[in-house]
Amino acid sequence: DTEVTQTPKHLVMGMTNKKSLKCEQHMGHRAMYWYKQKAKKPPELMFVYSYEKLSINESVPSRFSPECPNSSLLNLHLHALQPEDSALYLCASSQADMGFLNYGYTFGSGTRLTVV
Amino acid sequence: GENVEQHPSTLSVQEGDSAVIKCTYSDSASNYFPWYKQELGKRPQLIIDIRSNVGEKKDQRIAVTLNKTAKHFSLHITETQPEDSAVYFCAASITGKSTFGDGTTLTVKP
Repeated sequence: DTEVTQTPKHLVMGMTNKKSLKCEQHMGHRAMYWYKQKAKKPPELMFVYSYEKLSINESVPSRFSPECPNSSLLNLHLHALQPEDSALYLCASSQADMGFLNYGYTFGSGTRLTVV
Repeated sequence: GENVEQHPSTLSVQEGDSAVIKCTYSDSASNYFPWYKQELGKRPQLIIDIRSNVGEKKDQRIAVTLNKTAKHFSLHITETQPEDSAVYFCAASITGKSTFGDGTTLTVKP
């Protein structure tokens, strides 16, 4: 399996709702990422998990809460979002290295989130 | 933090011509430079990458060059085809974190 699977593909939520985005990979990758992408813009890093531990939080508001239950799964819990949070949320995974090597990402197809 | 600039923002070529996209980065500690292709409505896909200890890498019609001194790297696509039309993103990576350029929309006219 060489894919990253994200669910749901589309999500519409109100500003008072709580929802979760899910991401799964079975490539044995030990680094997983959440990126946010607005239309006609590059992906913008939100969180990095390395060996199931949060290693980077790019000063993301607390209404976004990541979780990595095991080496194959990554969740993003959403609560009290704002309309400006509407975007494509991309999960990615890569090989991880305890040193300083970096690796390319395999991206999921994303969840298109609309906050109303 | 790292800053990546990418040029041009749009590029239109005739089928069969070559296309070149250029990126510069700011942090000399960046050591890995991937390129991603994103077709409309699809996920970004890694097409080629280069590490800081290599000056050039080629894979069929695509190649990437890196000038560490100038902090500059480029993507070269030869014999372009209509299916090469997409948005191309460069990125610079430090310890697991990739910073993306703003993207280049490549259009290949048949």
